[in-house]
Amino acid sequence: NAGVTQTPKFRVLKTGQSMTLLCAQDMNHEYMYWYRQDPGMGLRLIHYSVGEGTTAKGEVPDGYNVSRLKKQNFLLGLESAAPSQTSVYFCASSYLAGVSNEQFFGPGTRLTVL
Amino acid sequence: DAKTTQPNSMESNEEEPVHLPCNHSTISGTDYIHWYRQLPSQGPEYVIHGLTSNVNNRMASLAIAEDRKSSTLILHRATLRDAAVYYCILRGAVGKLIFGQGTELSVKP
Repeated sequence: NAGVTQTPKFRVLKTGQSMTLLCAQDMNHEYMYWYRQDPGMGLRLIHYSVGEGTTAKGEVPDGYNVSRLKKQNFLLGLESAAPSQTSVYFCASSYLAGVSNEQFFGPGTRLTVL
Repeated sequence: DAKTTQPNSMESNEEEPVHLPCNHSTISGTDYIHWYRQLPSQGPEYVIHGLTSNVNNRMASLAIAEDRKSSTLILHRATLRDAAVYYCILRGAVGKLIFGQGTELSVKP
């Protein structure tokens, strides 16, 4: 079991460029999440998905889009990157969204926008 | 979403117990108390959760005040590998973990 994996691990973009971050989980989890973490801060929820083909906004969704075409994958897209999107991005998944269910996190993607 | 308050940092000596406090005075009756920790350069990992009763697992214990307005994460014997940022989170809404700034725990040999 690989758990939650994220691709790529590091990326440097120029302002205005676009990119897609890929999250994959092999635990057959229904729920998947994208968070960002800025230096010295806790994680903030960007978007999440409660199942294949569904997505919803989190705390800080502006400037990002997501898609969940397959149950095991959750993609995070930046259409026109800005320096304010420089951050570490974490993906997570959980079997159910019930309040007692733990989330499993990936290792993160470190993104720098110049 | 209800908020939590934690000290910014704490220090412990190796092999001694550590008590990490968390205040959550606006907790609602259906909010579960979750603890996650984040080791340096890694994603967060689940530690423990509870609703009303104290909880124990292989990693830690969670002591919840009777009025549920505060809780304490207890590491029984701190090791150097326990040095991390510990987040106390109230999980109410479906699927959402609202992270605060957490407590940075350092462990001295």
